Amino acid sequence: AQSVTQLDSQVPVFEEAPVELRCNYSSSVSVYLFWYVQYPNQGLQLLLKYLSGSTLVKGINGFEAEFNKSQTSFHLRKPSVHISDTAEYFCAVSDGGNQFYFGTGTSLTVIP
Amino acid sequence: EPEVTQTPSHQVTQMGQEVILRCVPISNHLYFYWYRQILGQKVEFLVSFYNNEISEKSEIFDDQFSVERPDGSNFTLKIRSTKLEDSAMYFCASNARWGGQFFGPGTRLTVL
Repeated sequence: AQSVTQLDSQVPVFEEAPVELRCNYSSSVSVYLFWYVQYPNQGLQLLLKYLSGSTLVKGINGFEAEFNKSQTSFHLRKPSVHISDTAEYFCAVSDGGNQFYFGTGTSLTVIP
Repeated sequence: EPEVTQTPSHQVTQMGQEVILRCVPISNHLYFYWYRQILGQKVEFLVSFYNNEISEKSEIFDDQFSVERPDGSNFTLKIRSTKLEDSAMYFCASNARWGGQFFGPGTRLTVL
C-alpha cells in the first residue's frame, strides 16, 4: 500500500512571500501524484498532477510542484502567496489503481 | 464548468438510523468514488465504482455501507445503521479516465 507524509501540519507565511509545502511518499512502484486544495467548508479542488513526462508540473493559481523520484518527494511551491491562498492542502498518490491515498494535510495561513 | 454536486450539505441523524448520501457526478464521467474525512483527520478512501459495480473498497467500507447508481445521473452511499464514529464529511468524486478525480463539496454527517 502507498503512504503519503506531509510533515508540516501548519505553515504560516507572510503575504507575497514564497512558500513550499512538503510531501513525501513511499512506494516501490511507479506512482502518480496530486495536490488538492480545500478551502473552508468546501470540497477538494485539484491543483495539479504528475502522471509522466516533465518532473516540474504547473497547476492553477500559480502553484507548481516538482517530482523527485530519488527523494520520493513531490513538494508544492508558490513564489508569492496571496491571502486567498489560505486553505488546507492535501498531497495524494496513486499507483494506477482507483484508490487515492491522501496525506494528513497542511494548513497554509497567509498573514497580511 | 461542470462540477460534482452532493446533497444534502449537512445531515443530522440518530445513531442506528439509515442515511443515504446523494451525489451527481459530472455527466460524462465513468468512475465514481466515495471518501470520508473525520474532523481534523485526513481524507480516507471508501469505495470506487465502475460499470455498475464496486471496483475497489477499503477496510472502512464494511457491510454497513453500500453504493448504488440508481439511474443515469445519481450515485448514492447508504449507511444502514449509523454509529457515532460515522460522523464525518463524506466526499463524492468522479473522473472520466484516469488522471485526477473531481470532488464534490461534501456532505457533513452528524450522528447523535
